[in-house]
Amino acid sequence: DQQVKQNSPSLSVQEGRISILNCDYTNSMFDYFLWYKKYPAEGPTFLISISSIKDKNEDGRFTVFLNKSAKHLSLHIVPSQPGDSAVYFCAASAQETSGSRLTFGEGTQLTVNP
Amino acid sequence: GAGVSQTPSNKVTEKGKYVELRCDPISGHTALYWYRQSLGQGPEFLIYFQGTGAADDSGLPNDRFFAVRPEGSVSTLKIQRTERGDSAVYLCASSPRGSYNEQFFGPGTRLTVL
Repeated sequence: DQQVKQNSPSLSVQEGRISILNCDYTNSMFDYFLWYKKYPAEGPTFLISISSIKDKNEDGRFTVFLNKSAKHLSLHIVPSQPGDSAVYFCAASAQETSGSRLTFGEGTQLTVNP
Repeated sequence: GAGVSQTPSNKVTEKGKYVELRCDPISGHTALYWYRQSLGQGPEFLIYFQGTGAADDSGLPNDRFFAVRPEGSVSTLKIQRTERGDSAVYLCASSPRGSYNEQFFGPGTRLTVL
């Protein structure tokens, strides 16, 4: 069963606009969430994380929102830049029960057009 | 400082052969993880080491897969009697300690079983 789902395989936005990437999860034991960015032929690079005790975390152009009741999180990138074009993975862990293993979504290919 | 390194970057082998994949984590990181990424999917957890011991090996698909970390630093993932379905990118990650930490990924080893 897919415990973390990213339903949009791709997203295309104009430079300067907002990019919103979505992620849904099913496991209510997940208590820590992360977003990773991946360029071709490279490993995933950590972007931003959020603990389940918060509903928002912001770092520069990147903001992650967590809605626990809906089991939904989103990553906002504003303003979007062409260098943001990459595959974005949502990941989750259940620190208290399953340690720090990450469960990843399928990824969303973001393309930012100049 | 150096990031996580993995060798080889590419490995082509024949069905039934034995392979070893190596991971050098970031110096001082006590936690080390192996993931496997198939085409079009997110990384899938295989095994997690805290120090020298495997704290969680529940993601290993079967007994053909084995991993060691004898001195608490470098780790080797070993696959016996390789099958075509083992073809994937094998990713290694490390983190300063286990819980509530982002994981730093290496570039991966692309394994192709012919």
